[in-house]
Amino acid sequence: GAVVSQHPSRVICKSGTSVKIECRSLDFQATTMFWYRQFPKKSLMLMATSNEGSKATYEQGVEKDKFLINHASLTLSTLTVTSAHPEDSSFYICSARPDIYGYTFGSGTRLTVV
Amino acid sequence: AQTVTQSQPEMSVQEAETVTLSCTYDTSENNYYLFWYKQPPSRQMILVIRQEAYKQQNATENRFSVNFQKAAKSFSLKISDSQLGDTAMYFCAFMPRGTASKLTFGTGTRLQVTL
Repeated sequence: GAVVSQHPSRVICKSGTSVKIECRSLDFQATTMFWYRQFPKKSLMLMATSNEGSKATYEQGVEKDKFLINHASLTLSTLTVTSAHPEDSSFYICSARPDIYGYTFGSGTRLTVV
Repeated sequence: AQTVTQSQPEMSVQEAETVTLSCTYDTSENNYYLFWYKQPPSRQMILVIRQEAYKQQNATENRFSVNFQKAAKSFSLKISDSQLGDTAMYFCAFMPRGTASKLTFGTGTRLQVTL
């Protein structure tokens, strides 16, 4: 089946630094990928839609300058959390659509900002 | 805009028993997909079952089946012969049919399977 690979699975960074999270579609091309944030025991909150070769589309309330998204190829999207602060600590998940029937998710990244 | 409602924050079931998780949704779309995703403690999102709205027959996948009531906008998940490995968070999700469609998730139901 279609696989979406997400790295790293866990990252700890110091406050004020930037962290990059990668999302790759391994056996299919994805012109669109989605980035979610999930708080403990809560549902997935869509942050942005990553579009290959063009600007990402951000959901209302998501800071574009804080969460930089780049989708430079048909198999790779990256989310960079810039100038991270403890309140950015969360679980981040990406997804992509291998066919018309639904989405496949990455395994997620647990970000801890100290 | 679509909304998905899961009214059961937590449920518990004994091993080998059957449990039903509820989901209702609201949409003006006529063509769409509905999903149940499982998120175990590893937090990997796993597709459990998918239903296409234009199909009247309820989807089944081994021990998992759905009761899809399009007119009532209801989409419940039945888990038969529950196993300890079924312990997880379950999310109901909606997706309009179309290439640029986004998933809309419910708030989730935490299922605990006990001995």
